[in-house]
Amino acid sequence: DGGITQSPKYLFRKEGQNVTLSCEQNLNHDAMYWYRQDPGQGLRLIYYSQIVNDFQKGDIAEGYSVSREKKESFPLTVTSAQKNPTAFYLCASSSLARTGELFFGEGSRLTVL
Amino acid sequence: GENVEQHPSTLSVQEGDSAVIKCTYSDSASNYFPWYKQELGKRPQLIIDIRSNVGEKKDQRIAVTLNKTAKHFSLHITETQPEDSAVYFCAASIPSGGYQKVTFGTGTKLQVIP
Repeated sequence: DGGITQSPKYLFRKEGQNVTLSCEQNLNHDAMYWYRQDPGQGLRLIYYSQIVNDFQKGDIAEGYSVSREKKESFPLTVTSAQKNPTAFYLCASSSLARTGELFFGEGSRLTVL
Repeated sequence: GENVEQHPSTLSVQEGDSAVIKCTYSDSASNYFPWYKQELGKRPQLIIDIRSNVGEKKDQRIAVTLNKTAKHFSLHITETQPEDSAVYFCAASIPSGGYQKVTFGTGTKLQVIP
């Protein structure tokens, strides 16, 4: 089955620790995105990438980092510099022919203790 | 950057009635406007979209309209059913440095009362 897979689904972390969220897709999509979802604030863009080894900051990139070493993979690292990391994180992908038509993963819920 | 505003934040309708959700965007360069539905505990899924060269699009009970001059677009759901209950997000996609950046509204929680 083609799709986009995020892991882990739930993650707990102590303050001061970095954590990496995985996102893998087998849809052969070029573009990949990371969004953060908080109640009442919709989906806010963290980072996005259209080609391997290139990515752009979104609206709330501070405290996050990404890499795009393979077309299929776009991991997100939540660093200790992120002030309010507890949130629901959604990864998405799209083809360049239909950019903006996003296919989402099931999300990762990060809780900082 | 692009800013997308969405209203209302919550909406309750009786089953069979219509529901309308409205969004505005700030950047006239936005050229693609998708709508996503997110059921409780699930991922957002695209339900309908419209491109900037079209004024209206319909798919069974849902329709979207776009007014480029006023920079607003709306989602219309007719003959609502309980399974329409979900959070709906509008979005605007804008070309940005060779990329296409997708900005979302804050969401509308729709409750259809049987």
